[in-house]
Amino acid sequence: GAVVSQHPSRVICKSGTSVKIECRSLDFQATTMFWYRQFPKQSLMLMATSNEGSKATYEQGVEKDKFLINHASLTLSTLTVTSAHPEDSSFYICSARAGTGQETQYFGPGTRLLVL
Amino acid sequence: GQNIDQPTEMTATEGAIVQINCTYQTSGFNGLFWYQQHAGEAPTFLSYNVLDGLEEKGRFSSFLSRSKGYSYLLLKELQMKDSASYLCAVMDSNYQLIWGAGTKLIIKP
Repeated sequence: GAVVSQHPSRVICKSGTSVKIECRSLDFQATTMFWYRQFPKQSLMLMATSNEGSKATYEQGVEKDKFLINHASLTLSTLTVTSAHPEDSSFYICSARAGTGQETQYFGPGTRLLVL
Repeated sequence: GQNIDQPTEMTATEGAIVQINCTYQTSGFNGLFWYQQHAGEAPTFLSYNVLDGLEEKGRFSSFLSRSKGYSYLLLKELQMKDSASYLCAVMDSNYQLIWGAGTKLIIKP
């Protein structure tokens, strides 16, 4: 199956700082990448969808100025959590798919963010 | 609205068979996915069904009935490592995945 990497795998930061998470598709070109957030014992929550070279589409309730998404190339998308607060502590997972149709989404290993 | 229903938790015995059901109501249908998620890890792809019927892949099989809005994931010869959450997701008419809340499967020796 396709491989998606995410970096860092774990990050601890102070409240008010910004954190950048990278998502890379290693063996395919990802036309579309997705960013999810998952709180303990809860389901995946889609935050935004990004297509290479265009602005991300954010889900209702997700602040686009707080969660900056950049999808500058077909193999890299970044999520920046700006001015992080303790309530932003969560498991952030990206996924990627090659096309815009029925192709399977492949997930990165996730980034566990803890904001103190 | 769009809705995916699956049981919250199931328990089964090592070596046995378990069936995890998923029912859905979505705006359009472009396939149904099953993912496995171990605690603290990201989901991994298990299966994709877009046509009615049974897809078998080793110990895991997935079934779909589009007319009934129903799918199940069948796990045979259960192993302790199969303890995980199993997520059902439906791709709607906009090719967006609608996720179920997941079924936590507990395997007992």
